[in-house]
Amino acid sequence: EVQLVESGGGLVQPGRSLRLSCTASGFTFGDYAMSWVRQAPGKGLEWVGFIRSKAYGGTTEYAASVKGRFTISRDDSKSIAYLQMNSLKTEDTAVYYCTKHSGYGYYYMDVWGKGTTVTVSS
Amino acid sequence: EIVMTQSPATLSVSPGERATLSCRASQSVSSNLAWYQQKPGQAPRLLIYGASTRATGIPARFSGSGSGTEFTLTISSLQSEDFAVYYCQQYNNWPLAFGQGTKVEIK
Repeated sequence: EVQLVESGGGLVQPGRSLRLSCTASGFTFGDYAMSWVRQAPGKGLEWVGFIRSKAYGGTTEYAASVKGRFTISRDDSKSIAYLQMNSLKTEDTAVYYCTKHSGYGYYYMDVWGKGTTVTVSS
Repeated sequence: EIVMTQSPATLSVSPGERATLSCRASQSVSSNLAWYQQKPGQAPRLLIYGASTRATGIPARFSGSGSGTEFTLTISSLQSEDFAVYYCQQYNNWPLAFGQGTKVEIK
């Protein structure tokens, strides 16, 4: 069964850092690009950032709202994607979903994790 | 950046009726458009990609159409399990972008 499991969420003060993990199973993780998507309480979906597979350079893309503060990385040997979040703001409070993309250039999200909640508050 | 606009914000439909949801892109996204369904407390689920191709396991009552800037998701005969929020997403350009969602509620 293809599965994504997020972890690492919690309560954090503004200005601090947090790292989320996404553990994948049921597919060859290294072959696929991954994204993080977030959803603030009662709001819609917001794409956060993306990482290509190593075959396509492992490079990243970010939403303007997080660029320079958030960093996505991957460890294909462990089938884990990470979201490093620095300089957190109250508006970063959300459920963070890890998602898998279908294939190169086809960047819709065919698998979603259940999400992990990040609350930024003093 | 491409802005995705969905309409209406809320759609009230009786079970068994047809629902038609719209998604408009601020510039052409070709057919690089996906639809997702999200039920309360759950993660979104992929319904449609490539504007009109159903994802694995998605019932035939869900259909997508359109290209360029205008897209439609049609649910031919609403079942109780279809009442949810639906999002469109373009993947033609960076940044990836979602619409704000359409809530389909029971009339």
